[in-house]
Amino acid sequence: NAGVTQTPKFRILKIGQSMTLQCTQDMNHNYMYWYRQDPGMGLKLIYYSVGAGITDKGEVPNGYNVSRSTTEDFPLRLELAAPSQTSVYFCASSEQGLFDYGYTFGSGTRLTVV
Amino acid sequence: DAKTTQPPSMDCAEGRAANLPCNHSTISGNEYVYWYRQIHSQGPQYIIHGLKNNETNEMASLIITEDRKSSTLILPHATLRDTAVYYCIVRGQTGANNLFFGTGTRLTVYSL
Repeated sequence: NAGVTQTPKFRILKIGQSMTLQCTQDMNHNYMYWYRQDPGMGLKLIYYSVGAGITDKGEVPNGYNVSRSTTEDFPLRLELAAPSQTSVYFCASSEQGLFDYGYTFGSGTRLTVV
Repeated sequence: DAKTTQPPSMDCAEGRAANLPCNHSTISGNEYVYWYRQIHSQGPQYIIHGLKNNETNEMASLIITEDRKSSTLILPHATLRDTAVYYCIVRGQTGANNLFFGTGTRLTVYSL
């Protein structure tokens, strides 16, 4: 049981480039989330999904897009990378939105935009 | 969701109990207190949660005051591997809206 898998672990982008951060979970969780964590700060919610085909904005969605075509996958797309998007990105999943035990986090993607 | 206040950092000797406080004076009746920790920039890890009764599991104990305005996470025998940032979060039990982690308490466990 792999849990939540994120790829890549590290990436350097040039300003204006685009990329997709991949997130896959094998726990059949309905809810999935993308967070970013800037140095010395807590996590901030970017986007979340309550099921396949349904996504919604979190606290800091600007500059990002998501899709949820399957229960397992929740990719995060950066279209025009900016230095302000340098951060560590965490994907998480939970069952039915329940917070009990239910938030399983991936190991993160460290993104640097130069 | 109610906001929380935690000390930015704490130290604890290995083998001793680590007591991490959290103030949540604006907590509402249906909101739970949750604790997560983040070890060295890994993804956060669930520790424990409670509503109004004290709770204990294999990782920690959670003591919630009677007025529910504050709580304490207790790691009974801290080890070096417990060095992490600990987040106290207050929110309802369901829903997928914002999960406010704040900046947490950086606990450093040191060898005697």
